[in-house]
Amino acid sequence: EVQLVESGGGLVQPGGSLRLSCAASGFTFSNYWMHWVRQAPGKGLVWVSRISSDGSSTSYADSVKGRFTISRDNAKNTLYLQMNSLRAEDTAVYYCARWTYSSSWYPDYWGQGTLVTVSS
Amino acid sequence: SYELTQPPSVSVSPGQTARITCSGDALPKKYAYWYQQKSGQAPVLVIYEDSKRPSGIPERFSGSSSGTTATLTISGAQVEDEADYYCYSTDSSGNQVVFGGGTKLTVL
Repeated sequence: EVQLVESGGGLVQPGGSLRLSCAASGFTFSNYWMHWVRQAPGKGLVWVSRISSDGSSTSYADSVKGRFTISRDNAKNTLYLQMNSLRAEDTAVYYCARWTYSSSWYPDYWGQGTLVTVSS
Repeated sequence: SYELTQPPSVSVSPGQTARITCSGDALPKKYAYWYQQKSGQAPVLVIYEDSKRPSGIPERFSGSSSGTTATLTISGAQVEDEADYYCYSTDSSGNQVVFGGGTKLTVL
């Protein structure tokens, strides 16, 4: 069974940092591209970042570029999101998701999410 | 940037057919995917590649696409289908991934 379990969320002051983790199990983690998607309270899903299966290629939404860094440790089956210079508008539930390919790329499994609150 | 447009809300009575639309300029060339998100839970894939249903998803869920509009249809909607539904696709180049704004389905 595919499982994705996020952790590391919490309350942080504006300008602060936080590192999110996503522990994967039930599939060969190193074969899949992984993404982070966030959802502000009462709002929709917004793509944040992606990383290739071997970690050599990354991409970011303009809203987080230069502040967030995605990485992975395939030996530990874990995905990370380092978030720096946090702003109030970064407050959201952060989901990690496995992306798969069948005619096009799309997310097929999601974690339960971890809440990040940026507030003084 | 590329956008997918959904109606904010759809309301039906139990047993009726619910239809949720998703509009985007690249949909004639790109597949649409649909996710169900119940309150406080993670999204779940209910339709992929416009009209295919993952294993475990009830047959009352179906999808179609014509021109610039993809449609999620729930035939005989149940109270337990009440949720937010999001469409997903990419722009014509395949580089930009995007979710629709979401549609709140009310079944009562």
